[in-house]
Amino acid sequence: DAEITQSPRHKITETGRQVTLACHQTWNHNNMFWYRQDLGHGLRLIHYSYGVQDTNKGEVSDGYSVSRSNTEDLPLTLESAASSQTSVYFCASSPGTGINEQYFGPGTRLTVT
Amino acid sequence: QKEVEQNSGPLSVPEGAIASLNCTYSDRGSQSFFWYRQYSGKSPELIMSIYSNGDKEDGRFTAQLNKASQYVSLLIRDSQPSDSATYLCAVNSGYSTLTFGKGTMLLVSP
Repeated sequence: DAEITQSPRHKITETGRQVTLACHQTWNHNNMFWYRQDLGHGLRLIHYSYGVQDTNKGEVSDGYSVSRSNTEDLPLTLESAASSQTSVYFCASSPGTGINEQYFGPGTRLTVT
Repeated sequence: QKEVEQNSGPLSVPEGAIASLNCTYSDRGSQSFFWYRQYSGKSPELIMSIYSNGDKEDGRFTAQLNKASQYVSLLIRDSQPSDSATYLCAVNSGYSTLTFGKGTMLLVSP
């Protein structure tokens, strides 16, 4: 079955380290998204991509980067992790071409100490 | 700033009752609207999408859209304890991006 997966599911890292969270989807969706979810803020868009080699900044992109080298993967990199980046991170994908339903991965809980 | 507003709740209903969840949005140009269910510690799950004014029914769920009033609602009939979750309203806010509300917690008591 087609699906969207994220790894790792849990990660503890130290302030200043570089961290990469993986997202992989097998639906062949054009669009992929990264969100963070925090109490009191809901889901906030970090970065998104409409296809290979396309990336765009979302509402809370500072300190994060993404790259899209193929259709299936959109890794999220925290260049220098900060305690404020402790959060739950969700990856999502949608077909594109006017269909906006987004389907979410299981999430990664990241703790920056 | 495009905004999506929801009452945080919790909304408490007895088993078998109708639960009514509401959402307002600020962008008059929005064309597509979604309801997601999120259980504690889990990821959001799409349960309804609606694109046109009026009602859309799917099993025990009915989504209602009124673009003139910039209002979307979700009705859950015959509520079950398993419906207890946080319900997120999402509105398209760009080409394919969504803006999410902060969610309404629903508690269904047996």
